[in-house]
Amino acid sequence: SQQGEEDPQALSIQEGENATMNCSYKTSINNLQWYRQNSGRGLVHLILIRSNEREKHSGRLRVTLDTSKKSSSLLITASRAADTASYFCATGEEYNTDKLIFGTGTRLQVFP
Amino acid sequence: DGGITQSPKYLFRKEGQNVTLSCEQNLNHDAMYWYRQDPGQGLRLIYYSQIVNDFQKGDIAEGYSVSREKKESFPLTVTSAQKNPTAFYLCASTPGGRGFGEQFFGPGTRLTVL
Repeated sequence: SQQGEEDPQALSIQEGENATMNCSYKTSINNLQWYRQNSGRGLVHLILIRSNEREKHSGRLRVTLDTSKKSSSLLITASRAADTASYFCATGEEYNTDKLIFGTGTRLQVFP
Repeated sequence: DGGITQSPKYLFRKEGQNVTLSCEQNLNHDAMYWYRQDPGQGLRLIYYSQIVNDFQKGDIAEGYSVSREKKESFPLTVTSAQKNPTAFYLCASTPGGRGFGEQFFGPGTRLTVL
């Protein structure tokens, strides 16, 4: 079952603008992760934020987590055409540590 | 080069045939996973294995089978019982036996049923 729902489903921006994607989930989590997928390729791990963390940065990426609202956001600052990809959130549940549950993804298009 | 390899990249199958997708990793990871991705969708878990000679069904295991005879290999067989097998299949692995950490993905196999 997919518990992550992402918003928006698709996003188009110009190079240099910021891109924000949101993820909502349903159960208690141990961590939340963001992955990137270029068209027709495998997923690449971007960042992991634990349930006791509220914000995390990695380069141009900023992730926030609000466990009271069961939501997370991924911000990509100063976007580039090379950031064009689909972005997925995935949750590691607190009481089922065997697997991740992936969201439906946000398709980001960055125009030069 | 360390990583996960999947083969073939593209696979065509006639209805009624079984096909096997290969997944190999040289990362020395304990756990391996198979996902199915349909166009515009997220990933759905088919099977996973946390240790050699053991595996568990995921959310959509019907019509699929797996084996885990070696740590580095986790092949997936798509059987004729899978009613709609055309999809993109992704293999992943994680160090240790816990799947809720960072997963490392292969490049995928696109299966088309003719």
